[in-house]
Amino acid sequence: SSELTQDPAVSVALGQTVRITCQGDSLRSYYASWYQQKPGQAPVLVIYGKNNRPSGIPDRFSGSSSGNTASLTITGAQAEDEADYYCNSRDSSGNPHVVFGGGTKLTVL
Amino acid sequence: QVQLVQSGAEVKKPGASVKVSCKASGYTFTSYDINWVRQATGQGLEWMGWMNPNSGNTGYAQKFQGRVTMTRNTSISTAYMELSSLRSEDTAVYYCARDSAFVGELSSRFDPWGQGTLVTVSS
Repeated sequence: SSELTQDPAVSVALGQTVRITCQGDSLRSYYASWYQQKPGQAPVLVIYGKNNRPSGIPDRFSGSSSGNTASLTITGAQAEDEADYYCNSRDSSGNPHVVFGGGTKLTVL
Repeated sequence: QVQLVQSGAEVKKPGASVKVSCKASGYTFTSYDINWVRQATGQGLEWMGWMNPNSGNTGYAQKFQGRVTMTRNTSISTAYMELSSLRSEDTAVYYCARDSAFVGELSSRFDPWGQGTLVTVSS
């Protein structure tokens, strides 16, 4: 099955822009989706598809993709954005499975 | 509103089985796949498998093949995940999530998620 690789931790100064990346072969065939998870809470979808935000997600969250790498960008990071972020995608190995990245802990300084 | 509500916490002994439920509301239950994802304390998300509530078709991650069974009761819009031969490493929060992607959409779209069910395996 496919694997998705994320940096374990990233930090950003309050109000600055940060990019969180996700790499994997399946991203050459499928878009990544991105999930935000705060301590003690269930994950929340923040970006899916080419660059789509569910209702209620601030427009400072955006997504992009190039080759085998997908990126989640937060433009003007806020204190409430401090969380774990996970990417996932469909598995490109031929079965209708899903794979998650290992997650990135975002710290807002 | 679209919502998934899971059953309460469970404590099981090694070797036992656990069955977690996930009740859907606010949409047509049979129109979207239900996925199960687990998370051990301090660890990342681990995808376990999916179920099509309309057909009952399922697909499981290789790691869980032979130990996991996903079923549904369409009359009460509820999905179930049963994990057998439990061991301490299965201690985790188990989530159900609706895959809101359309057929042919080139991404998964897990939204919404249930609130999670803590399963503790301990002798």
